[in-house]
Amino acid sequence: GAGVSQSPSNKVTEKGKDVELRCDPISGHTALYWYRQSLGQGLEFLIYFQGNSAPDKSGLPSDRFSAERTGGSVSTLTIQRTQQEDSAVYLCASSLTVGLQPQHFGDGTRLSIL
Amino acid sequence: AQKITQTQPGMFVQEKEAVTLDCTYDTSDQSYGLFWYKQPSSGEMIFLIYQGSYDEQNATEGRYSLNFQKARKSANLVISASQLGDSAMYFCAMREGRGGSQGNLIFGKGTKLSVKP
Repeated sequence: GAGVSQSPSNKVTEKGKDVELRCDPISGHTALYWYRQSLGQGLEFLIYFQGNSAPDKSGLPSDRFSAERTGGSVSTLTIQRTQQEDSAVYLCASSLTVGLQPQHFGDGTRLSIL
Repeated sequence: AQKITQTQPGMFVQEKEAVTLDCTYDTSDQSYGLFWYKQPSSGEMIFLIYQGSYDEQNATEGRYSLNFQKARKSANLVISASQLGDSAMYFCAMREGRGGSQGNLIFGKGTKLSVKP
C-alpha cells in the first residue's frame, strides 16, 4: 500500500489476555519502529527493526512485550498477560533506512484493557 | 534532562495569521535531525518538515518553515497563513546520529494549536 498499515485499528480485551498488533510498513522501507502513546505520557519508543533484526530491545517496558519482523516487511508486536496500564495507542512507523530520515507513521492501534 | 522541550502546552491563533511553535533540544551529537509532526484529533501522525544539523538553510515545506538556530539549540516551527485544518497537536522530535543509537525519534510533549475563525 501507499502508507504504513496497522491492524486492528481498535482492540478491546480483558486483563490477562494476549494481544497481537500488526504493522505493514511502506514498501521498500527497511527500518520499522514501534512507539506507544499514552494519555499524559507522550510518545514512548519501544523497539526498532533494521531488516529482520532488532538491535536494541531495551525500550520494551517489560518482558511481556515482544516483537518480531519476518521477511523484512510485516512486524508483529505481542503483549502477553495484558495489564490495564498497557492501554494506549500503539504506533508503527517506517523509514527507508535507519538514519536521519523522516519516519512515516500508521494510524495506530488503540488498545483498551478492561 | 529532557532532550526535547516544547514549552507551550496550548496555543491559539487567528485564521490567516502566522504562528510560531517553540522547540528546544539537547544533544551532544554533531550529527542529528529535527522533525515536526502534526497529530489531528483523528490520531494519525503526519510528517511536516525536517532539518538536518548540517543544513545551512532553514527548511521550508509549503506553509511550514523551520526556524533553526543551532547555537541556541532551537528548532521552532512557523506556520504561515493558518487554516482551520491546522488545529491539531504538534510534536517536535529529534533523531541523534551517533553510531549505536537506537534509531528512534525522541519526542517532545507537544503543543496543541487551535485556529480561531
